[in-house]
Amino acid sequence: QQPVQSPQAVILREGEDAVINCSSSKALYSVHWYRQKHGEAPIFLMILLKGGEQKGHDKISASFNEKKQQSSLYLTASQLSYSGTYFCGTERNYGGSQGNLIFGKGTKLSVKP
Amino acid sequence: DTGVSQNPRHKITKRGQNVTFRCDPISEHNRLYWYRQTLGQGPEFLTYFQNEAQLEKSRLLSDRFSAERPKGSFSTLEIQRTEQGDSAMYLCASSFTWGLSLETQYFGPGTRLLVL
Repeated sequence: QQPVQSPQAVILREGEDAVINCSSSKALYSVHWYRQKHGEAPIFLMILLKGGEQKGHDKISASFNEKKQQSSLYLTASQLSYSGTYFCGTERNYGGSQGNLIFGKGTKLSVKP
Repeated sequence: DTGVSQNPRHKITKRGQNVTFRCDPISEHNRLYWYRQTLGQGPEFLTYFQNEAQLEKSRLLSDRFSAERPKGSFSTLEIQRTEQGDSAMYLCASSFTWGLSLETQYFGPGTRLLVL
């Protein structure tokens, strides 16, 4: 039940916007977003819990549509530092947090000057 | 506290040898996770501990893999009779959780294993 991320890769110019989607075939309890740069640990971005929840952090925000079992990550006015691979990690809905995350294959984002 | 640490950072071994990795979580984090990541893939869950109890193991975890967290602090992951297919980045993550609360998992830098 690995979530499906799209697109697989995206190339942006600095200042452009991007959307990364994460879809699951199973009911989800939460969605966790991480960014990983080559050779480094995944860095936590945000968690979304409730259906329809939206969160923002600087110019990166995300939404979680529980009914559609989908989450989207929005990157606004991208910066060079946004480059990396973005992963969504999903928790199945067992009525509470189980901790075990199932990650998608990632979306590689490249921001060019 | 500087975060999750893992040792060694790199390990090259010959097929059939045993290897052991160590993970030191963020202090006071009660959960510790092991994941495996291969090129072009997201992290794959292997197992996790709450304090010293191993609560879940993935079906990916063959009987050649064993993990311990004896005192509820650091953890070790041992792979016996390594195979070339074991080559991967092994990531450790830790979190603090209570009840059914959401938790943030913080990842370490990983141990990159190459089996020749």
